[in-house]
Amino acid sequence: DAGVIQSPRHEVTEMGQEVTLRCKPISGHDYLFWYRQTMMRGLELLIYFNNNVPIDDSGMPEDRFSAKMPNASFSTLKIQPSEPRDSAVYFCASSWMGNQPQHFGDGTRLSIL
Amino acid sequence: DQQVKQNSPSLSVQEGRISILNCDYTNSMFDYFLWYKKYPAEGPTFLISISSIKDKNEDGRFTVFLNKSAKHLSLHIVPSQPGDSAVYFCHSLVYNFNKFYFGSGTKLNVKP
Repeated sequence: DAGVIQSPRHEVTEMGQEVTLRCKPISGHDYLFWYRQTMMRGLELLIYFNNNVPIDDSGMPEDRFSAKMPNASFSTLKIQPSEPRDSAVYFCASSWMGNQPQHFGDGTRLSIL
Repeated sequence: DQQVKQNSPSLSVQEGRISILNCDYTNSMFDYFLWYKKYPAEGPTFLISISSIKDKNEDGRFTVFLNKSAKHLSLHIVPSQPGDSAVYFCHSLVYNFNKFYFGSGTKLNVKP
C-alpha cells in the first residue's frame, strides 16, 4: 500500500502569494494531521481531522492558514497571503486511530521570499 | 507551552556504544508514549512505543524506559550503528482524548 503522499515536495514563492499544499492519506486511515517543522519549535501540530471533520485547529497560527478535507483521500493546507515567516517544512500524517502511530509523508519544503 | 521537552538538541556516539535519548513531559495525564526516527528529506517513521502501565518496552536494539514519577522517558539504542544517525522525536499523548504533543527532537550522530 502506498504511504502518505504530499505535493509539491518543494515550493518557492513570493510573499503575498497563495500557497496550497496537498496530501493523500493512507487508505482506511480515519485521522489526518498537518504539522509544521521549524528549528525553534520542532514538530507543531496545526490541525487534525477525524473522518474528514476538523477536530482541533488550535495550532493553526492565524487566519491566513486554512485546511480542508473534502473527502477521505484528499486534504489541503492553504496559506493566503503567505509571509516569509511561514517558511518551514510542512508534514501531513495519517493514522487509523488518533492514539495509534502516525504515518508521515515526506513533507513539503516551503520557502517564502 | 512545551508539554514535551527534549533538552538535548544533539548527541554524538561512537559506533557499537549505547545511545541514550531523553524526553521529559509535564502533563501527568499522558499515558502513551512513542518514539519516531526521521532521516533528512523524509517524514518521521514510528520506532517504538510504551504504555504507562509498563516501565520498559524492548524491540531488538531499541528499548524505551518510562519513569512516571519523574515524568521522564528514555530511548536506548544498543549497539548504536551509523544507520541510526537521524533525528529522534518523542511523542506523548492522552490515549482516550487524542491530545498529543511532539518534542523538538534530538539529532543523533553515530560515528563509525
